[in-house]
Amino acid sequence: AQSVTQLGSHVSVSEGALVLLRCNYSSSVPPYLFWYVQYPNQGLQLLLKYTSAATLVKGINGFEAEFKKSETSFHLTKPSAHMSDAAEYFCAVIRGGTASKLTFGTGTRLQVTL
Amino acid sequence: KAGVTQTPRYLIKTRGQQVTLSCSPISGHRSVSWYQQTPGQGLQFLFEYFSETQRNKGNFPGRFSGRQFSNSRSEMNVSTLELGDSALYLCASSYGQGSNTEAFFGQGTRLTVV
Repeated sequence: AQSVTQLGSHVSVSEGALVLLRCNYSSSVPPYLFWYVQYPNQGLQLLLKYTSAATLVKGINGFEAEFKKSETSFHLTKPSAHMSDAAEYFCAVIRGGTASKLTFGTGTRLQVTL
Repeated sequence: KAGVTQTPRYLIKTRGQQVTLSCSPISGHRSVSWYQQTPGQGLQFLFEYFSETQRNKGNFPGRFSGRQFSNSRSEMNVSTLELGDSALYLCASSYGQGSNTEAFFGQGTRLTVV
């Protein structure tokens, strides 16, 4: 069964610093991978998704992620953190085909400090 | 285009009662999925409906049920509420099924069981 593991439940960076949120997947077939962001008392918003078209995926708000099959990773990065990036981030995987069920990681709360 | 609308946003119920949550998907979307989010268990898949048929079900007791109407609106029902049912319930809609479609999430219904 597909699953994702997010390393680090809390990450703190200074404003302007690099953001790196880690996600590793476990899958026996090529996965479809997603990063979602959740602001307090809000639903989930899709940041980006990997569907095998390109290994480097660019998303909204300056975020990007690189799919590395050899490392089974799909880490989320942003070159320069902004205060508005403070939120919880979830990595998710979908089985593919007609399945729409998303399996989420445990989430990483990003704190951005001045 | 209106997003996914979940009603009510907040709900307080007593143990043993039942509750019905509503989700109106984005116009034209035929797939609706429900997720439960708790601090302890994270985001867990409840069920998915497509064209009024339940296509997938998560590992939840039979007290959790749902349905989808011909206009794609969906409801989920929880009977005999327990304290552990306190959670944020998220609904997601997508145009079709499967990994190639993007899931759009509503803001959720926060259910508190006392």
